[in-house]
Amino acid sequence: QVQLQESGPGLVKPSETLSLTCTVSGGSISSYYWSWIRQPAGKGLEWIGRISTSGSTNHNPSLKSRVTMSVDTSKNQISLKLNSVTAADTAVYFCARVGSGWYVGAFDIWGQGTMVTVSS
Amino acid sequence: QSVLTQPPSASGTPGQRVTISCSGSSSNIGSNYLYWYQQFPGTAPKLLIYRNNQRPSGVPDRFSGSKSGTSASLAISGLRSEDEADYYCATWDDSLSGPVFGGGTKLTVL
Repeated sequence: QVQLQESGPGLVKPSETLSLTCTVSGGSISSYYWSWIRQPAGKGLEWIGRISTSGSTNHNPSLKSRVTMSVDTSKNQISLKLNSVTAADTAVYFCARVGSGWYVGAFDIWGQGTMVTVSS
Repeated sequence: QSVLTQPPSASGTPGQRVTISCSGSSSNIGSNYLYWYQQFPGTAPKLLIYRNNQRPSGVPDRFSGSKSGTSASLAISGLRSEDEADYYCATWDDSLSGPVFGGGTKLTVL
């Protein structure tokens, strides 16, 4: 079955760029949207953005233009970059597949998440 | 401050029926599908309900979803100790052009 695995540095310095990769295994990333979602400790879920395998992106307006997402279909990977990070960006970051067909709009498969701490 | 409003907590005893509410507006719940996610501590959320009231394969029929106007609810009947988790509602928001989540409800099984 399709599995997602996030990877990247667990510690990022303030004002620097957070970079994460989500590797999809057990299936193709084609024909789906893929999202990044984060969750600060003890808090709720926040949608960061989504990307299609054609490269079309949407992101949460609250993050302004700090978000960059990309897709590498040859590696079955989706990437996230969040620049100018502050302590408020400390969270568990999840990648998730956006379902299609009957599951359209649902985050039907999730990665296990990766904790990112912003601290000097 | 979440776009969708959920009670922060809910509780029930084993065997009881509990409901968790989710309220929004015409730009989100009122015009789009509603989803529910279940999250256990330290794990990723899991899709529980899609398209307002549909259960993915493997989700017990003790879980049911409903939507009316700009509000929705998740009902759990025959409450079990393993249902103790956080529950999040989510939907698309036409104004924000993106999905939005409720703040989550922590369900405690007494």
